[in-house]
Amino acid sequence: DQQVKQNSPSLSVQEGRISILNCDYTNSMFDYFLWYKKYPAEGPTFLISISSIKDKNEDGRFTVFLNKSAKHLSLHIVPSQPGDSAVYFCAAPDAGGTSYGKLTFGQGTILTVHP
Amino acid sequence: NAGVMQNPRHLVRRRGQEARLRCSPMKGHSHVYWYRQLPEEGLKFMVYLQKENIIDESGMPKERFSAEFPKEGPSILRIQQVVRGDSAAYFCASFLRGAPLDNEQFFGPGTRLTVL
Repeated sequence: DQQVKQNSPSLSVQEGRISILNCDYTNSMFDYFLWYKKYPAEGPTFLISISSIKDKNEDGRFTVFLNKSAKHLSLHIVPSQPGDSAVYFCAAPDAGGTSYGKLTFGQGTILTVHP
Repeated sequence: NAGVMQNPRHLVRRRGQEARLRCSPMKGHSHVYWYRQLPEEGLKFMVYLQKENIIDESGMPKERFSAEFPKEGPSILRIQQVVRGDSAAYFCASFLRGAPLDNEQFFGPGTRLTVL
């Protein structure tokens, strides 16, 4: 049962344009979401997060939008740069119990930004 | 402040051998998670440990896999009698509960296990 889904395996964007990466979830108990960026042969690095009490969080070129009713979130990168080319994962942690912080990841989206 | 360290970075084993993967968390972190990434898939939770305790091993196969996080030294993920299906990237992440970004986990670079 895939509780966090990224239905687009890949996305190709021109430098300077907007990149939009999408993520859907099924577990209504999730109340916090994170985006991670991963380069080949490296571990994921935290990019940006959003709490379910917000519908938007912005950090520089990165903005995450959350639509709770649709159980959907998206990551916007504006303007996109070639260095943004990486795999992007959305993830949600268990909120309580003994599995505090255990992350459920989507399958990832490979973003390629062309110069 | 050194990040999360994992070694070895690459490990090749033949079927039936044992694999030992090590993870040294960030300084001061006492919570460690292990995740596995199979080819073309996202990371999947395996086990959550605190120092000297296994908190949640619900994601770990019941047989051949074990994990520990001793009082001193790194966390160890041990896979006995490896099979080809164990070939994957294994990541650990450490976590400081109560930190400002309470849910932020810091990942190591991973160990890529190849079973021949």
